[in-house]
Amino acid sequence: EDKVVQSPLSLVVHEGDTVTLNCSYEVTNFRSLLWYKQEKKAPTFLFMLTSSGIEKKSGRLSSILDKKELFSILNITATQTGDSAVYLCAAVRGSQGNLIFGKGTKLSVKP
Amino acid sequence: DTAVSQTPKYLVTQMGNDKSIKCEQNLGHDTMYWYKQDSKKFLKIMFSYNNKELIINETVPNRFSPKSPDKAHLNLHINSLELGDSAVYFCASSRPIGTGNTEAFFGQGTRLTVV
Repeated sequence: EDKVVQSPLSLVVHEGDTVTLNCSYEVTNFRSLLWYKQEKKAPTFLFMLTSSGIEKKSGRLSSILDKKELFSILNITATQTGDSAVYLCAAVRGSQGNLIFGKGTKLSVKP
Repeated sequence: DTAVSQTPKYLVTQMGNDKSIKCEQNLGHDTMYWYKQDSKKFLKIMFSYNNKELIINETVPNRFSPKSPDKAHLNLHINSLELGDSAVYFCASSRPIGTGNTEAFFGQGTRLTVV
């Protein structure tokens, strides 16, 4: 059965800390991996990773994929309270682009 | 300007009722999805349609029936609602793999409460 596992499930840090969120996957016909941030409503897109070893960056956020070891990490440096959210990892499966989501990591950033 | 829109945003109904949730996307995508998010925020795919054709039908009760009148719309009809159906339902759309960015765009969700 296809699965995506995220760790930790929850994390509490203080502003300014750096965090690393983990995502491992076992998905047949894997195509790519997506990271989303979900606050109160719909997930919003962060990154799409298709190739191993190429880091994607957006401000204080960065992510990388390892297709040999079947995992990805999402790094957030100098965390702010606005980073508090659930971070979702999803593996794209098959030619139709079906997303298999992990359970998410709930990040709480304290002032 | 809304890319993926769902209606209604909130739905409170009694057990046993039949209800529908509508979804429309104006992105020109061929693929649309329905996801269910439970109280622990776990997003699980229910259905996937490509060009009005059902591609994925995960293990969901057959009380749930998707309908796609055209590739811009994917509605979800639920018969004989049960308490366990209470959740947030998200519609999403994307391009198929191989046609560029396969990021899925999500609607704002429909919070269904069955009482």
